Amino acid sequence: DTGVSQNPRHKITKRGQNVTFRCDPISEHNRLYWYRQTLGQGPEFLTYFQNEAQLEKSRLLSDRFSAERPKGSFSTLEIQRTEQGDSAMYLCASSLVQGPNTEAFFGQGTRLTVV
Amino acid sequence: DAKTTQPPSMDCAEGRAANLPCNHSTISGNEYVYWYRQIHSQGPQYIIHGLKNNETNEMASLIITEDRKSSTLILPHATLRDTAVYYCIVRYFGNEKLTFGTGTRLTIIP
Repeated sequence: DTGVSQNPRHKITKRGQNVTFRCDPISEHNRLYWYRQTLGQGPEFLTYFQNEAQLEKSRLLSDRFSAERPKGSFSTLEIQRTEQGDSAMYLCASSLVQGPNTEAFFGQGTRLTVV
Repeated sequence: DAKTTQPPSMDCAEGRAANLPCNHSTISGNEYVYWYRQIHSQGPQYIIHGLKNNETNEMASLIITEDRKSSTLILPHATLRDTAVYYCIVRYFGNEKLTFGTGTRLTIIP
């Protein structure tokens, strides 16, 4: 499968614990995005990377959230001291920027439940 | 990015054309119209995009009005697998993020 891969698919954690999600983008895609989706809502942008550089962060990304893409390939999203409000689907997407029209390919997401 | 308005839900009979409307009355000249869909428990999937002209690909057709204030996504022969939430997104060139609304939940009826 050459699509965007996210692991784990599901994560249940206790409030206050730290969690880390991984995203493997489509090979050679230079842009990588993280979105969050809560029940009944559309995905909300969190942050994106151009290769290894993090170029934009939403104000939704509080200081408990950190994302990295160390070698410009896979990315991790860490949430520290999780809260019940962090329960959501976390989606990763990647794209190859070749002009004005960028098609983003999404993974299947990691569903986080904080209990 | 311009705000979009979509009906919350629609039904369509299997085999018929599904026509999904989207209003984007505040769209500006350099903003594109994108359509994505999200099948239950999956990530969003790109369908089509356009600027001014009508567009067609293997999945759908996009009809944009001459004043660009609204558009319609057409699935020519809907199947049960087309049941999903469809998002209409307006995005200007250079903006990396997609701003999703709540979309239209399309149900294909056998």
